Amino acid sequence: AQSVSQHNHHVILSEAASLELGCNYSYGGTVNLFWYVQYPGQHLQLLLKYFSGDPLVKGIKGFEAEFIKSKFSFNLRKPSVQWSDTAEYFCAVNVRGSGNTGKLIFGQGTTLQVKP
Amino acid sequence: DTAVSQTPKYLVTQMGNDKSIKCEQNLGHDTMYWYKQDSKKFLKIMFSYNNKELIINETVPNRFSPKSPDKAHLNLHINSLELGDSAVYFCASSLSGGRPSNYGYTFGSGTRLTVV
Repeated sequence: AQSVSQHNHHVILSEAASLELGCNYSYGGTVNLFWYVQYPGQHLQLLLKYFSGDPLVKGIKGFEAEFIKSKFSFNLRKPSVQWSDTAEYFCAVNVRGSGNTGKLIFGQGTTLQVKP
Repeated sequence: DTAVSQTPKYLVTQMGNDKSIKCEQNLGHDTMYWYKQDSKKFLKIMFSYNNKELIINETVPNRFSPKSPDKAHLNLHINSLELGDSAVYFCASSLSGGRPSNYGYTFGSGTRLTVV
């Protein structure tokens, strides 16, 4: 069965520090990849997505992610975090091709706490 | 102008009761989903409908019954509520859920269900 693993469960950073959140998935076929953010008490919002093309994807709010197919990874990065980035971050995968029902498989989430 | 709206936002009920959560999307999407987020923030798909047809039915107790009267609406009815049903339930929608989509998924704001 496909699965998504996020290595960091809880990350604490000071403002202006750089961020990298790890995400690995287990599936040998073609996938669509997503990062979602959930601010406290709010719904999930799409940060960025990768379907094909340039493996370095830029999203909203200065976030970017790099798809490394050989490592089955899709790590999220931001060069300088702000206090307002405090939130829960979810990596998600959707399997492409026949049998693609559109469902997203989520990682367990990473809580990011940014100290002012 | 909410894209995916869920009602109610909060629901507190006693064990054994039957309750419904409603979801509506005005994005013109053809696929809708129910996800459950547990107390550890883990998100898991429950059901998906594509053009009113059930396409995903994960291992969910049959006390949970989804209904899609049209492709803009997906409701979730839960019978005989149990303590373990307490969670946040998110509705989501996407375009062409059966094929690779360039539009991603849009989530509702969630319904926090508390069973006492």
